[in-house]
Order: sequence, then structure tokens, then C-alpha cells
Amino acid sequence: EDQVTQSPEALRLQEGESSSLNCSYTVSGLRGLFWYRQDPGKGPEFLFTLYSAGEEKEKERLKATLTKKESFLHITAPKPEDSATYLCAVQAIGTYKYIFGTGTRLKVLA
Amino acid sequence: EAQVTQNPRYLITVTGKKLTVTCSQNMNHEYMSWYRQDPGLGLRQIYYSMNVEVTDKGDVPEGYKVSRKEKRNFPLILESPSPNQTSLYFCASSLTGGYATSPLHFGNGTRLTVT
Repeated sequence: EDQVTQSPEALRLQEGESSSLNCSYTVSGLRGLFWYRQDPGKGPEFLFTLYSAGEEKEKERLKATLTKKESFLHITAPKPEDSATYLCAVQAIGTYKYIFGTGTRLKVLA
Repeated sequence: EAQVTQNPRYLITVTGKKLTVTCSQNMNHEYMSWYRQDPGLGLRQIYYSMNVEVTDKGDVPEGYKVSRKEKRNFPLILESPSPNQTSLYFCASSLTGGYATSPLHFGNGTRLTVT
């Protein structure tokens, strides 16, 4: 069964303290892995798509990487405005479903 | 502005009273989908549509109906709502859900309470 697990569930960082969020996935064949940011009361906002192991994408303080079993979202020198829930999702080859993890709630303290 | 629009944002209703949540996208996307989000369970797919007149069940379709008569619209229908359908609902669309994947774009959500 296709599955996505994110860790940790919650993370508190001091401003400037870099860290990584983990997304472990199990799919029969990966079509794409997606990272989203979700602010309270809003819909998820798309950040990155990764397609194959070894691929990396960057946007401001965020960098996403992908291996055959997991993806990491690295946050470098975070700021309070980076506080949000970060969601990971996968789509498997041969399906039209997007499967989401339960997310990591990130709080960055000033 | 490219967007997915859901209405209403908030809805309180009683058990058994039929309701419809509308969803419209202006990006000419082929693929549309409905999710519900519950604490500790994350986003779970209710129904999806690969293109007009083609829909399929997601992981939690019981108690819901959808239709895709036009490319831009994908309403979610609860024929007889029950309290366990109290949740935050999101509509999403993507350029294509087919062989070439693309990211989902989400609406701002509908918070439904069934008493």
C-alpha cells in the first residue's frame, strides 16, 4: 500500500537555527513527490516537485532533496515567517491519486 | 489571477439536510479533486476527476457525491450529512493527473460543521 510518513510531527526552532524535515514514502513506482506549505486556515501552497532520486530544488531558505525512500526539506537560517505546517505528498505511477503525509508543524521563534 | 475558488468558506448545518460545496478553477486544469482534512489524519482524498465526465473514488468516498459536467467546476454534494462529516474540506486542481504529473493547486477551504 502506498504510504507517506512525515517526521517530526512538530518542531520548534530558534530564528537562524537550521534543521531538516523528513518525508518517508512507500510507493510501487514514484511519479512525483511534492512539498507544500500550509498556514492556519488556508489551503496548502505548492513549494516543490521532485521526480527522481538525487534531484534537488531550492527556493529562498528552503531546499528539497530526494532519495529512493525519503525526501528532506532543509530549512537554512529560518525566520519566524517560515512558521507553518509543511506537507509532503506522492503520486505513484499508474494512479491518479495524491497521497499526503500528516505534516510537520514548524514554529520558528524570534 | 489563477485560483481555485470554493464556496462557502464556513457552513453549519444539521444532520440530513442536503448541501453542496462549490468549486471552480480558472486555470483550464484537467484534474480536480476533493480532500478532507482532520487533525491527526492529514489530507484524505474523497473523489477525483481526470477530466470532464470522468470521476473516481478516492480513499474516503462514503457519504459524498461529485459531478464534473464542465471543466472548470467540480461540486461536492452531501446528500444526507452526518456529524462524522464535520471537517475542513479542500478542492484542488492540477494541469494533468495523467502520465505527466503536476502539482495540485488548492482552494482556501470550507469548514463544515454538522450538528
